Amino acid sequence: DAKTTQPTSMDCAEGRAANLPCNHSTISGNEYVYWYRQIHSQGPQYIIHGLKNNETNEMASLIITEDRKSSTLILPHATLRDTAVYYCIVRIRDDKIIFGKGTRLHILP
Amino acid sequence: AAGVIQSPRHLIKEKRETATLKCYPIPRHDTVYWYQQGPGQDPQFLISFYEKMQSDKGSIPDRFSAQQFSDYHSELNMSSLELGDSALYFCASSLGRWGDPSGEQYFGPGTRLTVT
Repeated sequence: DAKTTQPTSMDCAEGRAANLPCNHSTISGNEYVYWYRQIHSQGPQYIIHGLKNNETNEMASLIITEDRKSSTLILPHATLRDTAVYYCIVRIRDDKIIFGKGTRLHILP
Repeated sequence: AAGVIQSPRHLIKEKRETATLKCYPIPRHDTVYWYQQGPGQDPQFLISFYEKMQSDKGSIPDRFSAQQFSDYHSELNMSSLELGDSALYFCASSLGRWGDPSGEQYFGPGTRLTVT
C-alpha cells in the first residue's frame, strides 16, 4: 500500500501556479519523496524528488515541511499540457514504485 | 537527452501465443524495471534487474520471464498469452537502485500489447 495521501482531483487555471499537496506522515528519516506524472497512456514521467530541503528544477518546485510529514509540488505556470495524474511516492521497500491513486490535475483554459 | 527505448511500441498476439518485449535503458543506467498497466489501472511492478541480476519481483505470472543482458538491455518474455495480458508494459531504468540519492526511475513510452 502507498504511504501517501493525495486529493483525488484538482483544477487549476492556465497560467497560474498549480500546488499539489501530499501527506506522508509515516515517512522514515532517510526516505525520499518523489513526484511523477502520467499523461494519458504515456510512460510515467519523473518530475522531482527531495529528502529534507526544498528542491527546484526546470519542471517544478518541491516544498517539504520541516517535520517531513507533507510536501507540495508546485508547477509555477501551468499549461494545458500539464493535465495529467500526479503521483507522490515514497519508497516502501526494494525496487518497486507503488503508485497510489494520485491526483488528477485538470488545467482549465 | 537519451531516453528509455522500448520495442515494439504496439503488438497484437492471439491467445496462447508468445511475445517478447525489449527495453534499452538510458546509457550508463544499470537497473531496469518492468511494469504492467491494465486499462484504467495504475502501473503495477513486475520485476527488476540490477547489474544483470534479478533484484526484485512483484506480481509477475509464472508464464512471464525476463532477463538483463551484458549490454544492460532487458527482455520480457511472455508465453501462453491470455486475454487479460492485454495492457501497457513499461520499462524503466535508473542509475543505481531505487531509493538511492540518484536512483529515480525513468520510464519508456511503453509497449501496448493486445491479445485477441
